[in-house]
Amino acid sequence: DTEVTQTPKHLVMGMTNKKSLKCEQHMGHRAMYWYKQKAKKPPELMFVYSYEKLSINESVPSRFSPECPNSSLLNLHLHALQPEDSALYLCASSQVTGGAGYNSPLHFGNGTRLTVT
Amino acid sequence: QKEVEQNSGPLSVPEGAIASLNCTYSDRGSQSFFWYRQYSGKSPELIMSIYSNGDKEDGRFTAQLNKASQYVSLLIRDSQPSDSATYLCVSFGNQFYFGTGTSLTVIP
Repeated sequence: DTEVTQTPKHLVMGMTNKKSLKCEQHMGHRAMYWYKQKAKKPPELMFVYSYEKLSINESVPSRFSPECPNSSLLNLHLHALQPEDSALYLCASSQVTGGAGYNSPLHFGNGTRLTVT
Repeated sequence: QKEVEQNSGPLSVPEGAIASLNCTYSDRGSQSFFWYRQYSGKSPELIMSIYSNGDKEDGRFTAQLNKASQYVSLLIRDSQPSDSATYLCVSFGNQFYFGTGTSLTVIP
């Protein structure tokens, strides 16, 4: 059983739709992440919320918009996506230990398989 | 130069053999290292965490870390067909860095 829960598991959307991906963690972690993963590639960081402060991968287009309502919840709002945005979207959390170079591991949810038509 | 480098494989081993997966990293400030297993279409699953030089064993898995050589490895003993997956090496310095993954196939 995963302690990071993502919904929905699958999503098909048109290029004019607006949808949201949701993530919830029950591990008491203070950092939450969105990753995008294409087939046969490693996960690529999109956004990080650490102590509810946002850090952005500046290569991520503005059609992706994160929201962190509280330290346990993380949403990813999607608008006017392109077919190349089809991928597995992974939410993860980790404890922030504060020591230089030290961190607890990432704990991933099961992911949302997104298809943009 | 990539922060974390892995042989992409594919690596094939017979059932019951030892699979050896290797990883090098470039950031000397990295102190935390993780191995994840990822089945096709699924999310990464944490296999091992290692923070200190030397070996760390957990069941059939042994992680090895050599900070002087900036080298991390994962040994899988008595490999099973269910171990067939992609293995991701991840380091943490001031952020998480992912290797490109090594594809392992265990042949029955």
